[in-house]
Amino acid sequence: DSGVTQTPKHLITATGQRVTLRCSPRSGDLSVYWYQQSLDQGLQFLIQYYNGEERAKGNILERFSAQQFPDLHSELNLSSLELGDSALYFCASSVGGQGSTDTQYFGPGTRLTVL
Amino acid sequence: ILNVEQSPQSLHVQEGDSTNFTCSFPSSNFYALHWYRWETAKSPEALFVMTLNGDEKKKGRISATLNTKEGYSYLYIKGSQPEDSATYLCAFHFGNEKLTFGTGTRLTIIP
Repeated sequence: DSGVTQTPKHLITATGQRVTLRCSPRSGDLSVYWYQQSLDQGLQFLIQYYNGEERAKGNILERFSAQQFPDLHSELNLSSLELGDSALYFCASSVGGQGSTDTQYFGPGTRLTVL
Repeated sequence: ILNVEQSPQSLHVQEGDSTNFTCSFPSSNFYALHWYRWETAKSPEALFVMTLNGDEKKKGRISATLNTKEGYSYLYIKGSQPEDSATYLCAFHFGNEKLTFGTGTRLTIIP
């Protein structure tokens, strides 16, 4: 158990809908990272927040947005869902804002299925 | 586009044998390399973060080396056990931006 929690574990929804994935980092960690794992693809970095501020952005679609709240939990919002958005979404956390050298601790993931 | 290549894609090893696999990355603007272990139905678990050329890290029977000049890292597992069966991911950090993951080496230990 890494100490990072994600809810829900599974989510099934329809195309065109909007969903929110939630992540609580390990106690004391200030950074939260979001990753997408699609079929046959490696982990794709989406976005990083550090202490409430966006720190780095990856291949995140405009239909997706995220935020980190004052209590440091984070939410990833996915809207106008398409079939291709079906994937495993991981959240990770680290102590500092240096994603390069900080160890990232991964949550259990949310499996999103878009029908 | 910066690519991280891992080889082989999959590997079957007899229990008790030692094995190793490779992570290749662009050698310019290197910042750090991470190794993760990912067991089926679980989340990736950090093994090592390596930053210096020539770095060697060890955790039990697993060790890793880093060559930033030529752009590769090796992960070694000594005396493989069934619990070592997992996908081993490396991830490369260039500059101070996103972590780019390879697609992993899937290791299966045959009892």
